[in-house]
Amino acid sequence: AQTVTQSQPEMSVQEAETVTLSCTYDTSENNYYLFWYKQPPSRQMILVIRQEAYKQQNATENRFSVNFQKAAKSFSLKISDSQLGDTAMYFCAFDSWGKLQFGAGTQVVVTP
Amino acid sequence: DTAVSQTPKYLVTQMGNDKSIKCEQNLGHDTMYWYKQDSKKFLKIMFSYNNKELIINETVPNRFSPKSPDKAHLNLHINSLELGDSAVYFCASSQDPTGMNSPLHFGNGTRLTVT
Repeated sequence: AQTVTQSQPEMSVQEAETVTLSCTYDTSENNYYLFWYKQPPSRQMILVIRQEAYKQQNATENRFSVNFQKAAKSFSLKISDSQLGDTAMYFCAFDSWGKLQFGAGTQVVVTP
Repeated sequence: DTAVSQTPKYLVTQMGNDKSIKCEQNLGHDTMYWYKQDSKKFLKIMFSYNNKELIINETVPNRFSPKSPDKAHLNLHINSLELGDSAVYFCASSQDPTGMNSPLHFGNGTRLTVT
């Protein structure tokens, strides 16, 4: 069974600063996908970034980037130049064969 | 032009009632899902269907029955509602049933409150 762990329940960051969210997972699979989803107060689930396990290069999407360490089973998300609109719950997720498993989430609060 | 739409957005009902949540996607995806988000925001898969066929059925009470009349629709029917069923239910779709190369597109959720 796979598990996804997000050890930070809440993180606070000032506008324009950088924040890093941690995520670790446990699996015996070799091929899988990892995702970060964002859930703002509107409740909508929005895909932020995804990483394919067989790709060593870390994914980047504008101000969002990941640090994927396959051997350590770690998949952290860095938000650069934080904006007020980044305030949301962030979920790390692991997908192997169609079953997306989520971590418990990290609430990010961006302050002016 | 909402990609994944679910109705209703809010549903308040009494214990013992039967209710349905509808979901439709216009992305042309083959696979649809139901996820449940509990009061602690934890998200867990309930079901997935590929081209109207059930492919994932997690440990969910028999009171929950998904129905897929066609690949663009996946409805969730819940019988004999209980207080513990209160949650936000998300519908989602993806092109790839294995989920490996196609991220999920989520609906906006249905907040179910059972009193």
